[in-house]
Amino acid sequence: GDSVTQMEGPVTLSEEAFLTINCTYTATGYPSLFWYVQYPGEGLQLLLKATKADDKGSNKGFEATYRKETTSFHLEKGSVQVSDSAVYFCALTHAAGNKLTFGGGTRVLVKP
Amino acid sequence: ETGVTQTPRHLVMGMTNKKSLKCEQHLGHNAMYWYKQSAKKPLELMFVYNFKEQTENNSVPSRFSPECPNSSHLFLHLHTLQPEDSALYLCASSQDLPSGGYGEQYFGPGTRLTVT
Repeated sequence: GDSVTQMEGPVTLSEEAFLTINCTYTATGYPSLFWYVQYPGEGLQLLLKATKADDKGSNKGFEATYRKETTSFHLEKGSVQVSDSAVYFCALTHAAGNKLTFGGGTRVLVKP
Repeated sequence: ETGVTQTPRHLVMGMTNKKSLKCEQHLGHNAMYWYKQSAKKPLELMFVYNFKEQTENNSVPSRFSPECPNSSHLFLHLHTLQPEDSALYLCASSQDLPSGGYGEQYFGPGTRLTVT
């Protein structure tokens, strides 16, 4: 079956540091890939997505590129802010279905 | 109201109580979902409804009973829960795509449930 693996946290950074969260997946065919973010006390919000190989999703300074050859979708941000402190989830789904498979989540803490 | 709303936001209940969680989506979507988020565990999909019909039940215990009276509302009825059922329960919705399949899921803020 499908699975998503992401690095365990917590990841602790200083403000303006570079952030990378690794995500790799196992799936048949060509799934769509997503990053969701969960701020403290809130539900999940879609951060960005990519639906085919080599697509780059971007939003709020975050980027991730769909790498079919390495089955990866790593999340990056060049300069983080305290407000980026949250839990980040990598996920995938197939176009023919509606079931999201989530990774375990990575907690990010940005200190001033 | 916009997006996906959930009530109540917090709920404390005893093991013999009966309570219900409510979810409402204001996005015109036709699929709705219940997820369970426990500490130190991945998000677990519990139920999926498409066009008000339940299409997935991920081996959820019968003490959790979903109800979807229309495509905008989803309930989770709870009875005789266990302390290990304490978690954040998230509702989500999505819309089918012209090309087939379903688009991204939009989540509500969740209900924090504590079973004492």
